[in-house]
Amino acid sequence: SSDLTQDPAVSVALGQTVRITCQGDSLRNFYASWYQQKPGQVPVLVIYGENNRPSEIPDRFSGSSSGTTASLTISETQAEDEADYYCNSRDSSGNHLVFGGGTKLTVL
Amino acid sequence: QVQIQQWGAGLLKPSETLSLTCVVNGGSFSGYYWSWIRQPPGKGLEWIGEINHSGSPNYNPSLKSRVTVSLDTSQTQFSLKMTSVTAADTAVYYCARWYSAGWDDGFDFWGQGTMVAVSS
Repeated sequence: SSDLTQDPAVSVALGQTVRITCQGDSLRNFYASWYQQKPGQVPVLVIYGENNRPSEIPDRFSGSSSGTTASLTISETQAEDEADYYCNSRDSSGNHLVFGGGTKLTVL
Repeated sequence: QVQIQQWGAGLLKPSETLSLTCVVNGGSFSGYYWSWIRQPPGKGLEWIGEINHSGSPNYNPSLKSRVTVSLDTSQTQFSLKMTSVTAADTAVYYCARWYSAGWDDGFDFWGQGTMVAVSS
């Protein structure tokens, strides 16, 4: 079992908004970072810290956090956003890094 | 622009030692943590361990007994060794830079990945 829990799969209609969540006790004290991974490709950082995006990431990607849950929200979802999404933060001890199990996003 | 290139043996037999190296070009090497991450076929990401610019390592507790991460600052390289591999260690192995500024952190640059298969 992982210290960070994600729903295995989420679907969204083209152009709609979707929220992908990540739950873990450590998220009370640490922010999550989020990664997009398309088949056969290297993961790409999309959100880090409270709600920061690398310059090349579209502003339809945003992050938030409340209690033990971190969320990645994609607004006006595009077909190209279909991918696996992973959250990352500290484990429950706070001493090691850990990834969530990943969420497969399907764009309908 | 930071670029990370990685290399190492891609096919091992059970009980052998996995050895991978990453070289960092562009940007600063010091002041960052450098990590190894793996992904078994069809599965999720697993953090293996990291090393800081001072050479202090930190490992995933589940792998700690078999893993060593080391640093060569003169050549801006860092390496992973994993002993006594089994089929369960078959995965794509990535190296990555951990960016951290206050509470803002994440893996911002990644190597291209190396597929390592363990088979007799």
